[in-house]
Amino acid sequence: AQKVTQAQTEISVVEKEDVTLDCVYETRDTTYYLFWYKQPPSGELVFLIRRNSFDEQNEISGRYSWNFQKSTSSFNFTITASQVVDSAVYFCALINYGQNFVFGPGTRLSVLP
Amino acid sequence: ETGVTQTPRHLVMGMTNKKSLKCEQHLGHNAMYWYKQSAKKPLELMFVYSLEERVENNSVPSRFSPECPNSSHLFLHLHTLQPEDSALYLCASSQDGTEDEQYFGPGTRLTVT
Repeated sequence: AQKVTQAQTEISVVEKEDVTLDCVYETRDTTYYLFWYKQPPSGELVFLIRRNSFDEQNEISGRYSWNFQKSTSSFNFTITASQVVDSAVYFCALINYGQNFVFGPGTRLSVLP
Repeated sequence: ETGVTQTPRHLVMGMTNKKSLKCEQHLGHNAMYWYKQSAKKPLELMFVYSLEERVENNSVPSRFSPECPNSSHLFLHLHTLQPEDSALYLCASSQDGTEDEQYFGPGTRLTVT
């Protein structure tokens, strides 16, 4: 069975701090995809990144970076120099090829001015 | 123009009412999805349509009835709902299969009284 765990329910940081959101997944398949989505207060989930299981390279996009480690089944997300606009709920998700999404419970990030 | 639109944004209905939620995507995608997001649960996938054919129904009660008349439109028909069905209903689309990134609409906030 597939499972995604986001152990941090809520995180609060002060603007300009770095913050890492944890994601640990479980799957028996060797081919799978991992995603991160952001859900701001408006409610609309916004796609951030997709990684496949064969690509363990870390990725950086502006202030966002992702650390994928198959050895620990983790796909952590770091925001550098956080801003108030980063306040949202962040979801990690997993899909095995040909199957459907399993979303984690989400981490609510509050960035205080 | 926004990629995925949903109407209405808010809906209050009694348990004996019949209503429909509408989703439209302007991205040329071939797959569409309905999700339910409750306060205390992870995002739940309800239905998946690929090329207008339903490919997934995750044990959703029959009081929820989806309809996909073409690849750009998706409906969720509601009848005799229960108060526990109150939630945010999100529509999403993806280019093809579920391993592609999904683009979400803003959701319909449903309250069943």
